[in-house]
Amino acid sequence: TQLLEQSPQFLSIQEGENLTVYCNSSSVFSSLQWYRQEPGEGPVLLVTVVTGGEVKKLKRLTFQFGDARKDSSLHITAAQPGDTGLYLCAGAVAGFQKLVFGTGTRLLVSP
Amino acid sequence: DAGVIQSPRHEVTEMGQEVTLRCKPISGHDYLFWYRQTMMRGLELLIYFNNNVPIDDSGMPEDRFSAKMPNASFSTLKIQPSEPRDSAVYFCASSLRRPDNEQFFGPGTRLTVL
Repeated sequence: TQLLEQSPQFLSIQEGENLTVYCNSSSVFSSLQWYRQEPGEGPVLLVTVVTGGEVKKLKRLTFQFGDARKDSSLHITAAQPGDTGLYLCAGAVAGFQKLVFGTGTRLLVSP
Repeated sequence: DAGVIQSPRHEVTEMGQEVTLRCKPISGHDYLFWYRQTMMRGLELLIYFNNNVPIDDSGMPEDRFSAKMPNASFSTLKIQPSEPRDSAVYFCASSLRRPDNEQFFGPGTRLTVL
């Protein structure tokens, strides 16, 4: 059972455009992480959000945790080709004692 | 620190052969995870260890898959016999203190079973 659904699955945009990726679930998470995976490499952590309603910024990336801690979003401003990759959200569900990874959003930013 | 080390990076084998994937976690990390990634199914957790003890192997697809962690610095994932549907990228990851803390991934092993 996939607990975390991400949308869109694929996104192809031009350099300079803005975009938002969504991560949704019916489960409540104690924390949620966002990873980026580049081709031929393993995922790398971008950010962890813990508090409902929390907003974190990492340069042009803005991460938000839903008030009910069931969803999250990643907004990229003025996307660059270096942002290309697979974006994965991962939730820590109380009682599961492990991370549950989302379905992933594959982003391609063309020059 | 060298990060999580996996070997081999690429493995091509024929159906029915035994395949062994290897992982060295980050020194001091007490959790080790094995994942499988495919386009169709995404990133799936196969098994994870805490202090070398298997905690959750519910993601292991079937008896053909086995994993061991003989010491804190080494783990193996074995497939015997391998099948074409096992073709995927296999990742090892490690974390510190909690299984839901930040996970540090290795570069992966791309397995192709012909």
